[in-house]
Amino acid sequence: DAGITQSPRHKVTETGTPVTLRCHQTENHRYMYWYRQDPGHGLRLIHYSYGVKDTDKGEVSDGYSVSRSKTEDFLLTLESATSSQTSVYFCAISSPGGTNTGELFFGEGSRLTVL
Amino acid sequence: KQEVTQIPAALSVPEGENLVLNCSFTDSAIYNLQWFRQDPGKGLTSLLLIQSSQREQTSGRLNASLDKSSGRSTLYIAASQPGDSATYLCAVEPGTYKYIFGTGTRLKVLA
Repeated sequence: DAGITQSPRHKVTETGTPVTLRCHQTENHRYMYWYRQDPGHGLRLIHYSYGVKDTDKGEVSDGYSVSRSKTEDFLLTLESATSSQTSVYFCAISSPGGTNTGELFFGEGSRLTVL
Repeated sequence: KQEVTQIPAALSVPEGENLVLNCSFTDSAIYNLQWFRQDPGKGLTSLLLIQSSQREQTSGRLNASLDKSSGRSTLYIAASQPGDSATYLCAVEPGTYKYIFGTGTRLKVLA
């Protein structure tokens, strides 16, 4: 299994509060991603990073920000959580080069409920 | 805009049956296509990765094929078992390292 740890795994918060989800990898992969998974929508990319301090938006980035100060950590922040951000959030990693270049590996997910 | 479709959304089969799951995509300019398995409440597990120069990949009872010109991939599961029950997702990567996912096929294998 790819060494990806997400924290917290479960969180309940109230509308308007800030929330930070953390993804930690031990694989030294260059690319890191945050996806959200919702019924009827599948997995949608929020933000991704292609290196330390290098990030870019995905298709559903509004209301989210990210930071990557170290290769192994990728943080997702909801500045002011809304009920529409209730979801399961997945971190993923991949790397160019090697036999299976670009293969995507996922963490176990973080379930966020915004009341 | 690339769109990925998986039909059917759900499938029930008796144990032992060979089955095919389908994945179609609208833009044939893809680099990678990857199949995943997701168990309830869990993350996604990578099953097979097909790179642009490849037409198929095999792992145990699983075989995935890719036809870029027709915008299709199939995942073949031989001799299905109850333990194969899960949601299967495909995702395409157009060379930008940003994967686009289908909504999955929920498979139930009946004992």
